[in-house]
Amino acid sequence: QKEVEQDPGPLSVPEGAIVSLNCTYSNSAFQYFMWYRQYSRKGPELLMYTYSSGNKEDGRFTAQVDKSSKYISLFIRDSQPSDSATYLCAMSEEDSNYQLIWGAGTKLIIKP
Amino acid sequence: GAGVSQSPSNKVTEKGKDVELRCDPISGHTALYWYRQSLGQGLEFLIYFQGNSAPDKSGLPSDRFSAERTGGSVSTLTIQRTQQEDSAVYLCASSSSDGLQPQHFGDGTRLSIL
Repeated sequence: QKEVEQDPGPLSVPEGAIVSLNCTYSNSAFQYFMWYRQYSRKGPELLMYTYSSGNKEDGRFTAQVDKSSKYISLFIRDSQPSDSATYLCAMSEEDSNYQLIWGAGTKLIIKP
Repeated sequence: GAGVSQSPSNKVTEKGKDVELRCDPISGHTALYWYRQSLGQGLEFLIYFQGNSAPDKSGLPSDRFSAERTGGSVSTLTIQRTQQEDSAVYLCASSSSDGLQPQHFGDGTRLSIL
């Protein structure tokens, strides 16, 4: 079993919908949680970053961490075709916080 | 430049040849990371540099892989005697320090071993 599980998709939704992307993990020592967006043939770009549990909001994006369930989510409101990309979750432990453990990514398609 | 620069962007080579991949981090970033991304897979950590030293080489998959960083800036990832399973996208990232600072990625080198 992988340390971080993420549904590869593709997830296809109409423009304007609310999108929910999720990752589950097995390592209870993870403390830092990140979401990256990756367009085709480009490097990952950091979207959201949270420490420990709780919610964080930035514009149309909301990140949630539920450490008791070992489950993290990224919500995208008012989705746009430009949001079409692969979304990767990444996480790390407190003591080795430079070493990110990654999900495989979910491909998201926003249909105009 | 403004971002992390990697070269070449694409590399096709024959099995058994050696390849060198280059990473130019963001100016002033002390931490540098190499990852490998295979199709449909998440990023696989290879090695981490703080300055010119590599505190963690644990992700290098075999002794055919090596990396160095000089002058606290440019890094080179070398793969000797390439195998077909080495085909992947090799990504480099840098950050202003380890850990809490976000990692900024280049667009990668797409390596194909024939």
